[in-house]
Amino acid sequence: GEDVEQSLFLSVREGDSSVINCTYTDSSSTYLYWYKQEPGAGLQLLTYIFSNMDMKQDQRLTVLLNKKDKHLSLRIADTQTGDSAIYFCAEKVESSASKIIFGSGTRLSIRP
Amino acid sequence: DTGVSQDPRHKITKRGQNVTFRCDPISEHNRLYWYRQTLGQGPEFLTYFQNEAQLEKSRLLSDRFSAERPKGSFSTLEIQRTEQGDSAMYLCASTRGDQPQHFGDGTRLSIL
Repeated sequence: GEDVEQSLFLSVREGDSSVINCTYTDSSSTYLYWYKQEPGAGLQLLTYIFSNMDMKQDQRLTVLLNKKDKHLSLRIADTQTGDSAIYFCAEKVESSASKIIFGSGTRLSIRP
Repeated sequence: DTGVSQDPRHKITKRGQNVTFRCDPISEHNRLYWYRQTLGQGPEFLTYFQNEAQLEKSRLLSDRFSAERPKGSFSTLEIQRTEQGDSAMYLCASTRGDQPQHFGDGTRLSIL
């Protein structure tokens, strides 16, 4: 089946690193994504990783993929107040639609 | 701005009324998706178009829902005889080939 799980909440202090974790079930996933959603807005693509990669770094963002354990993580270095949002992990399902299956989102809050 | 555009941003209607939403994808994108997002959840796939052809529909899409993409450009999603349970954010996304999906800001539907 297709399922994506992530913890609901994460609170970090400003300037610390945030690590958001995700597990997925579909071993045939080709791409895995991290989207950010701010209140009242749509989803903003943050970064994505192809399933044959282990790591991808993009400025303050680092994505780690453990394909054996079907585990994906997003690390945000030097977390800022503007990083407060809901972060969605998602996998691309290979089918005629190539639709995306989303987790329920992790709400990241920043403490001063 | 050449992103995905959705209209209206908010729609409030009485139960039993019909509503129609519009999505204008990024111009060179041939694939268009509709998702529904309820509070505290990630988006759920509703339907998918490749050019003007509707190629897949989720079982979430009851017979009260219909979507069109008549010229392979903009798309409309209509809900007939709205029910309380239809209250949600309706998100549109577009892409081309294997590229990540880009989302609009959504239409928030509230049923009174």
